[in-house]
Amino acid sequence: QKEVEQDPGPLSVPEGAIVSLNCTYSNSAFQYFMWYRQYSRKGPELLMYTYSSGNKEDGRFTAQVDKSSKYISLFIRDSQPSDSATYLCAVNLAKVTGGGNKLTFGTGTQLKVEL
Amino acid sequence: NAGVTQTPKFRVLKTGQSMTLLCAQDMNHEYMYWYRQDPGMGLRLIHYSVGEGTTAKGEVPDGYNVSRLKKQNFLLGLESAAPSQTSVYFCASTTGAETQYFGPGTRLLVL
Repeated sequence: QKEVEQDPGPLSVPEGAIVSLNCTYSNSAFQYFMWYRQYSRKGPELLMYTYSSGNKEDGRFTAQVDKSSKYISLFIRDSQPSDSATYLCAVNLAKVTGGGNKLTFGTGTQLKVEL
Repeated sequence: NAGVTQTPKFRVLKTGQSMTLLCAQDMNHEYMYWYRQDPGMGLRLIHYSVGEGTTAKGEVPDGYNVSRLKKQNFLLGLESAAPSQTSVYFCASTTGAETQYFGPGTRLLVL
């Protein structure tokens, strides 16, 4: 079983729709959760970052973590064509000295927002 | 402030040839990483460094070597390229906080 599972899509939605992207993870020790956005032929860029359980909102984006079910979500409201990209979830153990601060990534979900 | 830069952007190699990919960051980050990204496989960690002069193996280190002689640079070497190393390579860096900042990537094609 992979440490982080993510539906690869592709997911196609009309402009203005609410988008829900999800990941599950297997290791309950993970405490830091991130969403990266990657446009075609570009490097991933950090979109949202949360610690432990709960919600975090930034404009049209909301990140949600449910540690009891090991489930992380990203919601995009009023989706725009410019949101068309691949979204990668990532998890990290609590910071461990000498541990390298390594991230484990999902495979990414490709999103297309159509006019 | 350029962030994380990678050289070259694109390269074609023949099987057996060698090359070095250069990653540079101007954010004074301690930690640096090399990943490869392949369709359906996501980002996989090749090697990483927790500081100048240190390196460690990641998830898929075979066929690659790295060096971190200067804090701002992290080099990834392929001694004898194989078609299986055709991929997009990303470098990332961080202060040691939980997020990583990525470069624009190097596309490598091994024929």
